[in-house]
Amino acid sequence: KAGVTQTPRYLIKTRGQQVTLSCSPISGHRSVSWYQQTPGQGLQFLFEYFSETQRNKGNFPGRFSGRQFSNSRSEMNVSTLELGDSALYLCASSLLSGEETQYFGPGTRLLVL
Amino acid sequence: DAKTTQPPSMDCAEGRAANLPCNHSTISGNEYVYWYRQIHSQGPQYIIHGLKNNETNEMASLIITEDRKSSTLILPHATLRDTAVYYCIVRDKDPGGTSYGKLTFGQGTILTVHP
Repeated sequence: KAGVTQTPRYLIKTRGQQVTLSCSPISGHRSVSWYQQTPGQGLQFLFEYFSETQRNKGNFPGRFSGRQFSNSRSEMNVSTLELGDSALYLCASSLLSGEETQYFGPGTRLLVL
Repeated sequence: DAKTTQPPSMDCAEGRAANLPCNHSTISGNEYVYWYRQIHSQGPQYIIHGLKNNETNEMASLIITEDRKSSTLILPHATLRDTAVYYCIVRDKDPGGTSYGKLTFGQGTILTVHP
């Protein structure tokens, strides 16, 4: 069974731009969670989607948003990029919302110049 | 979710067992102990989880003390490829509300396996 895939793997943007990252969960998994990882803050939870609905949201500004499609694929969007948004963005999928085991993708590394 | 405490770093010789401790003294009865690891710049990899009993899979063993206030992840024969950051996470068995889909990562333990 294929794992979680994320595209693109690497991205360079400039301040003020916006970016959309994509995540395809493991086949059959219906929950997708997003995390941001930076050297200073470590791994931090962004939000979780299940059945096209946001179930939970971390402590991030409204510039960070996401959505989930009927096939469980998910996208996250960051608008008006700031230098501090440079990070590794990780997506994790699980069978159900709140299901214990989350499986992570390889991440998208975003660099904001 | 309960807070966990891990040593910041540990060393291990290749071929020897690596024993990674985790303290979770405020764990409640319905919380699982999860272990993930992250090899540099890759996504975290699930290793193992348990509630009360010791668990073993093809990657590792998890030993949970009887009072559940601490646990140890054991890699029986460490290899150079086991060099990674290891995260111990306590996770509610029946999450709801603000816990849905959320794993709370601490700083983890940097395990370095030496030749």
